Amino acid sequence: QKEVEQDPGPLSVPEGAIVSLNCTYSNSAFQYFMWYRQYSRKGPELLMYTYSSGNKEDGRFTAQVDKSSKYISLFIRDSQPSDSATYLCAFYNQGGKLIFGQGTELSVKP
Amino acid sequence: EAGVVQSPRYKIIEKKQPVAFWCNPISGHNTLYWYRQNLGQGPELLIRYENEEAVDDSQLPKDRFSAERLKGVDSTLKIQPAELGDSAVYLCASSSRGGYNEQFFGPGTRLTVL
Repeated sequence: QKEVEQDPGPLSVPEGAIVSLNCTYSNSAFQYFMWYRQYSRKGPELLMYTYSSGNKEDGRFTAQVDKSSKYISLFIRDSQPSDSATYLCAFYNQGGKLIFGQGTELSVKP
Repeated sequence: EAGVVQSPRYKIIEKKQPVAFWCNPISGHNTLYWYRQNLGQGPELLIRYENEEAVDDSQLPKDRFSAERLKGVDSTLKIQPAELGDSAVYLCASSSRGGYNEQFFGPGTRLTVL
């Protein structure tokens, strides 16, 4: 079983839609939860970082963590064409190693 | 503030040839990482440096890959000889210190082995 499962998509939505991206993980020792955004031909950039269950909001983005279900989500409200990118969930393991999901490719159509 | 710099951005080589990638981290960042990202996958750690010391190289294929970080700043990742399966994007990242801090990624070097 993979440590992290993420639907690769691609996911295509119209501009203004609410987007939901999800990851499940198997390692209950994961304590730090992140979402990275990666534009084509660029390196990943950190979007959201949280270390507790619950919701964290930053503008149009909301990160949700459910440790009991080993499930994290990223919601994007009022999606824009500029949000078109690959979204990677990531987790730090006990040794300080960053473990990434496969990434979900998102396309927001004008 | 300048970000992580990598060069070259693209490299095409024949199999069995050597290749080297260079990374300059964000100024003041003591921790440096090399990742490999295969097409359609997330990055996977190859090696982590704390200053000059490689503290995690368990995922580095040591028969053909080598890395160095002289003086604890710039780093070079080398493959010799390259194989077809080495085609990937090689990403460098840095953070102010290890642990669970934010990592800042460079744009990567896209390697194609023919």
